Amino acid sequence: NAGVTQTPKFQVLKTGQSMTLQCAQDMNHNSMYWYRQDPGMGLRLIYYSASEGTTDKGEVPNGYNVSRLNKREFSLRLESAAPSQTSVYFCASRVTGAAGYTFGSGTRLTVV
Amino acid sequence: GESVGLHLPTLSVQEGDNSIINCAYSNSASDYFIWYKQESGKGPQFIIDIRSNMDKRQGQRVTVLLNKTVKHLSLQIAATQPGDSAVYFCAENTGTASKLTFGTGTRLQVTL
Repeated sequence: NAGVTQTPKFQVLKTGQSMTLQCAQDMNHNSMYWYRQDPGMGLRLIYYSASEGTTDKGEVPNGYNVSRLNKREFSLRLESAAPSQTSVYFCASRVTGAAGYTFGSGTRLTVV
Repeated sequence: GESVGLHLPTLSVQEGDNSIINCAYSNSASDYFIWYKQESGKGPQFIIDIRSNMDKRQGQRVTVLLNKTVKHLSLQIAATQPGDSAVYFCAENTGTASKLTFGTGTRLQVTL
């Protein structure tokens, strides 16, 4: 039982390049989330998907897009990476009725 | 591991002592609160949660206290161990779809 799996674990991009961060969960959770974590700022919500087929903006959605491909997978896309998007990105999922999220191990992204 | 929270407040505790980590939250309408533990290079891990209609909840070696009057949350760890060394985040559930808003975190250092 893998839980929440994120790929890749590390990535370096040049300014203007695009990439997609992948996230998959095998726990049959309904809701999925993307957060970014910057030093001294805790975790900030980028986008979330309350259920399959729906996505909504979080606190810091600018520069990102998401796709809830199916119940298991929720991807985050950077169309034109900027140095301000250098961060650690975490995907999380939650089953309806539960309080806590299950987090993946993160993707460390550096934009140069 | 990544540099998570370079400027985080730090609590230094001797092994075997009790630790108290505090958190102030902002939204009086939040209906539940969660404490997470994050070790270096890993995603946040659920520790314990508390509903807004409670003022205390106990788990294994941990106790969470909620004071809604002053919007304050604390996590008490009994008999702190070296494995407790990590960054601890409080989070509050705001609104529908269980979107969690995270605090900036406290680093707990356990000295031998």
